[in-house]
Amino acid sequence: ELKVEQNPLFLSMQEGKNYTIYCNYSTTSDRLYWYRQDPGKSLESLFVLLSNGAVKQEGRLMASLDTKARLSTLHITAAVHDLSATYFCAVDGRKTGNQFYFGTGTSLTVIP
Amino acid sequence: NAGVTQTPKFQVLKTGQSMTLQCAQDMNHEYMSWYRQDPGMGLRLIHYSVGAGITDQGEVPNGYNVSRSTTEDFPLRLLSAAPSQTSVYFCASSYSRQQETQYFGPGTRLLVL
Repeated sequence: ELKVEQNPLFLSMQEGKNYTIYCNYSTTSDRLYWYRQDPGKSLESLFVLLSNGAVKQEGRLMASLDTKARLSTLHITAAVHDLSATYFCAVDGRKTGNQFYFGTGTSLTVIP
Repeated sequence: NAGVTQTPKFQVLKTGQSMTLQCAQDMNHEYMSWYRQDPGMGLRLIHYSVGAGITDQGEVPNGYNVSRSTTEDFPLRLLSAAPSQTSVYFCASSYSRQQETQYFGPGTRLLVL
């Protein structure tokens, strides 16, 4: 069974600071997805990473993928309050079929 | 496009009752899936479908049935509701499994008493 671990689970940071969320997974996969979820809302796609070394950036968020280390990072630059949300990574478990495995999420609170 | 729609938004059931959660998409997506979201556990895949007439089990399929008679619709049936099925259910779709992110519906909040 593919396992996806995120850390930290909870993150409280001040506006203007930088921080990184980590996503580790337990088996070979070269596709990784990041989603954002606001409280009581659905999931919104942020990034799709499709190969080793892939890097995507949107605004203050940058995601990268290292398939050899089985690690993806979501880096937050100069955080603002609007980034407060829960962030999930998900891995495409191709070897097990058409199944996506999600991490437990990182709840981010940006303090003004 | 309406995207992915789910009904109902909220439902209360008694233990042993059955019900169907509806999911529809108007984007001609081949891949559809159902997840449940529980506190501290992220999203877990219940069932998925790679096209009309084709379904398969995910990580937590017990107590749930699905069918896919059309490309647009992917209903999830709870056969005999149990309190352990209290959760938020999300339906998602993508054009194909490969290289595509999934688009999520607004969710159905289910409470089983």
